[in-house]
Amino acid sequence: EDQVTQSPEALRLQEGESSSLNCSYTVSGLRGLFWYRQDPGKGPEFLFTLYSAGEEKEKERLKATLTKKESFLHITAPKPEDSATYLCAVQASNTNAGKSTFGDGTTLTVKP
Amino acid sequence: GAVVSQHPSRVICKSGTSVKIECRSLDFQATTMFWYRQFPKKSLMLMATSNEGSKATYEQGVEKDKFLINHASLTLSTLTVTSAHPEDSSFYICSATLRGGAEAFFGQGTRLTVV
Repeated sequence: EDQVTQSPEALRLQEGESSSLNCSYTVSGLRGLFWYRQDPGKGPEFLFTLYSAGEEKEKERLKATLTKKESFLHITAPKPEDSATYLCAVQASNTNAGKSTFGDGTTLTVKP
Repeated sequence: GAVVSQHPSRVICKSGTSVKIECRSLDFQATTMFWYRQFPKKSLMLMATSNEGSKATYEQGVEKDKFLINHASLTLSTLTVTSAHPEDSSFYICSATLRGGAEAFFGQGTRLTVV
């Protein structure tokens, strides 16, 4: 059974204080690992897709990396508007494309 | 990215009634859509895979007679919660993939409250 574990559950940072979110996963053949941002009462917003170990992707203050067992979402010099829940999901290669298993998320709060 | 629209965003219904939630892909055709349920401070739980022109595939433990899914066209899937009860109150979210690719795009979600 595919599993995704995210840590920490909650993270409070001061504006400008860089940190990382962790996503550990087990999957029977990885089609892709996905990061999403979710604001309260909204659907997840797509951030990144990572397909193979060693891959990295960046977008503004966010950088996602992938190994064979985990992924990190690095947040550099965060701003209050980065406050949200960040979700990690995996898709197994032996399932329908788009069928995702999600972690419980990390709720990030950035204080000004 | 592709746009997925979900309607309504919020609905309150009486216990015993049925509620229909729509999920539309606005600028692309989606042969497959997915329906998730999310509990407070918890992750998304996949309920079913909706396939255009065929029956939906439900995850283990999800009652197919209670959560009716119809995918009548390449841009529309509907989830009907039948004979709703307070325990069905939740946040329901749909997603669709572009051209069968892996990246899934999500609707804005529907907050269902059954009173």
